[in-house]
Amino acid sequence: SQTIHQWPATLVQPVGSPLSLECTVEGTSNPNLYWYRQAAGRGLQLLFYSVGIGQISSEVPQNLSASRPQDRQFILSSKKLLLSDSGFYLCAYQQGTNEKLFFGSGTQLSVL
Amino acid sequence: AQTVTQSQPEMSVQEAETVTLSCTYDTSESNYYLFWYKQPPSRQMILVIRQEAYKQQNATENRFSVNFQKAAKSFSLKISDSQLGDTAMYFCAFMKPPGNQFYFGTGTSLTVIP
Repeated sequence: SQTIHQWPATLVQPVGSPLSLECTVEGTSNPNLYWYRQAAGRGLQLLFYSVGIGQISSEVPQNLSASRPQDRQFILSSKKLLLSDSGFYLCAYQQGTNEKLFFGSGTQLSVL
Repeated sequence: AQTVTQSQPEMSVQEAETVTLSCTYDTSESNYYLFWYKQPPSRQMILVIRQEAYKQQNATENRFSVNFQKAAKSFSLKISDSQLGDTAMYFCAFMKPPGNQFYFGTGTSLTVIP
């Protein structure tokens, strides 16, 4: 069966520190992968999506970046976190064209 | 980016009653897909229902159904016989092939009152 793992569940980081959030998918190959951010009381903002290894599309210019070093691994990074980077980060995958998104359990990031 | 609008930030409904959540979207595409997702307090996103734009028939899934009005670019969700477990944030989403970017609305917080 297909599963998606996202970690850590909670992260508290100081302003200016680096960030690395990891997401892995099991039980499927060549999925489309997505990173979303959900600010408190707000909707989901699409940050990055990837249709293949090394193929990353950015929706919103910011100090975050994404990488896909392996087919089922998607990493969200930052060299220096800002206060505005706080939020709930969700990884998701889609298997096949026109299929629904499956979401990970999310990471609550607090930048202090 | 596509625009998805949910104009009702909060709603409430009595248990066993029916409630309708609104969603409108803006696109020039003719081929796309629409979704409703539910986010309970656990924050796990769960698919509620899915609609293909080329299908005229409204999707239904047990107590959940949609009213898809393509010309009006409207996609509302009707929940019948509301249950306490329906209390959650509900997000409307738009997906445009072939890039398959998913765009979400800002959500409607639904509370089912016992």
